[in-house]
Amino acid sequence: NAGVTQTPKFRVLKTGQSMTLLCAQDMNHEYMYWYRQDPGMGLRLIHYSVGEGTTAKGEVPDGYNVSRLKKQNFLLGLESAAPSQTSVYFCASSYELGQGYEQYFGPGTRLTVT
Amino acid sequence: GENVEQHPSTLSVQEGDSAVIKCTYSDSASNYFPWYKQELGKGPQLIIDIRSNVGEKKDQRIAVTLNKTAKHFSLHITETQPEDSAVYFCAASTTAGSFGAGTTVTVRA
Repeated sequence: NAGVTQTPKFRVLKTGQSMTLLCAQDMNHEYMYWYRQDPGMGLRLIHYSVGEGTTAKGEVPDGYNVSRLKKQNFLLGLESAAPSQTSVYFCASSYELGQGYEQYFGPGTRLTVT
Repeated sequence: GENVEQHPSTLSVQEGDSAVIKCTYSDSASNYFPWYKQELGKGPQLIIDIRSNVGEKKDQRIAVTLNKTAKHFSLHITETQPEDSAVYFCAASTTAGSFGAGTTVTVRA
């Protein structure tokens, strides 16, 4: 039982390049989330999914796209990376949506955009 | 939407002393208040949580108190140890959860 895994762990991009971050969970959770973490700003929700084939916008969705083609995977895409997207990205999953259910976090992906 | 404020942003305590972190929230509909601990280079991990029908919850050296009327909740760590050094986040859960900005706790030996 690996929990929540993220690939890659580190990535450096040039402005304008694209990339996809992969999140996988083996706990059969319905709900999955992508957060970004910046110094002094805590965790901010980018997008989330309430089940296979669904996605929804969070607090800071601009510049990102997501897909949930399989229940266990949640992909975060950057179509044209900008320096403002330099951050640590965390994926999480939970059994239910908010209201009383623990979120399980992955180890994070550190992205630098130059 | 929900707005969670967390104080202080940094906290340095002597080993063996207590540490207290406070959070306030804005949405009276929130009824689940988890606390997460994030160690260096890792993702956050739940350490304790409280629901709105309970005023206090304790788990060994960690306790959380909730005042729904005032919309604030606090994390108390007693007899701090070096392994308590980490970043702590509070959250107030409505949909996907709104997190505080975090508190960096340093326990001095």
